[in-house]
Amino acid sequence: DSGVTQTPKHLITATGQRVTLRCSPRSGDLSVYWYQQSLDQGLQFLIQYYNGEERAKGNILERFSAQQFPDLHSELNLSSLELGDSALYFCASSVGPGNYGYTFGSGTRLTVV
Amino acid sequence: GQQVMQIPQYQHVQEGEDFTTYCNSSTTLSNIQWYKQRPGGHPVFLIQLVKSGEVKKQKRLTFQFGEAKKNSSLHITATQTTDVGTYFCAGVNSGNTPLVFGKGTRLSVIA
Repeated sequence: DSGVTQTPKHLITATGQRVTLRCSPRSGDLSVYWYQQSLDQGLQFLIQYYNGEERAKGNILERFSAQQFPDLHSELNLSSLELGDSALYFCASSVGPGNYGYTFGSGTRLTVV
Repeated sequence: GQQVMQIPQYQHVQEGEDFTTYCNSSTTLSNIQWYKQRPGGHPVFLIQLVKSGEVKKQKRLTFQFGEAKKNSSLHITATQTTDVGTYFCAGVNSGNTPLVFGKGTRLSVIA
């Protein structure tokens, strides 16, 4: 157990639907990051939050949104899902922005059918 | 934007052989990190290099950061079946930016 909790582990949904992925960071970590991993694209950075505020955005589609709550857990919302959104979605946390190693959760495998 | 390239994409070795993966950044990095992802698992932090020319060792693993802080390598001596997985390098452009990951090198070890 890495200390970063992601739910659900697996999700199968139809095209056009909306899903919410949840992440609880490791105790004491203030930064949360979302990454998408697909076979041919490696780990793609989506978005970062630090202590409740959005800190950086990567290649996140407009159909996707995220937030970090006062208790520091984060949710990634994916809407109008397409087949190409099928991937592993990882949440990671770190003590703060900058020169710290990331602790990854076990991921949510999303399959869009 | 910043890009981190990693080669090779795949490497198959006999158990006991050495293995090296290389990482190159399009920009100067403030630090570089290495992660290992076992099949079906999640990335696990291995190490962080910060100083120009830095070399760090973890048992059979040797990590190097180039003098110009734009490249790095991971060398595994005498691979074992437990070394199987994908090794990712990830670079940080400046202190507060998120990690940019290379595409990883998938290592297979044949017993």
